[in-house]
Amino acid sequence: RKEVEQDPGPFNVPEGATVAFNCTYSNSASQSFFWYRQDCRKEPKLLMSVYSSGNEDGRFTAQLNRASQYISLLIRDSKLSDSATYLCVVNMGGYQKVTFGIGTKLQVIP
Amino acid sequence: NAGVTQTPKFQVLKTGQSMTLQCAQDMNHNSMYWYRQDPGMGLRLIYYSASEGTTDKGEVPNGYNVSRLNKREFSLRLESAAPSQTSVYFCASSEQAVNEQFFGPGTRLTVL
Repeated sequence: RKEVEQDPGPFNVPEGATVAFNCTYSNSASQSFFWYRQDCRKEPKLLMSVYSSGNEDGRFTAQLNRASQYISLLIRDSKLSDSATYLCVVNMGGYQKVTFGIGTKLQVIP
Repeated sequence: NAGVTQTPKFQVLKTGQSMTLQCAQDMNHNSMYWYRQDPGMGLRLIYYSASEGTTDKGEVPNGYNVSRLNKREFSLRLESAAPSQTSVYFCASSEQAVNEQFFGPGTRLTVL
């Protein structure tokens, strides 16, 4: 089993739709979790950290399920500008223990 | 604040040539990283520097060397470039290992 797994997509959704991505991780000792957004041929940019209690930033909600070992990202009221690849990042507590998923591609359609 | 900057943005090399990728951050972060990103694969760690004066190998260090010049700067050197090193290279920095990382704009390297 890969350390971090994401469905690469693409997810094609209409504007205004709600879409959710999951990311599973294999190491139960993982300590910190993040979602990044990466636009085509650009650098990854931090979207949000994922806390045990869950967190929300506008239309974006991130959740952590330690029992089932996955994190999720929910995007409500999708905009065309949300089209990007979303990377999950799992940190197992050391510099060499940061693992990036391959990303889930989202395409929001007019 | 510029954040993390990288030079050059693009580079084409011939097999066997050498070059140095430069990275600098102005966020006073302790830790810096070099990654490569290839199609269909996640970001892979080449080298990292936990703090000024230290460097360590990551997942794919072969063919690369690094220098942590000071707290701000972390360079990546390819001594003898190979076509397998064609990739996009990202530099990143963070306060500590468990914190979020901030990325530079990347260097697109092609080795012919």
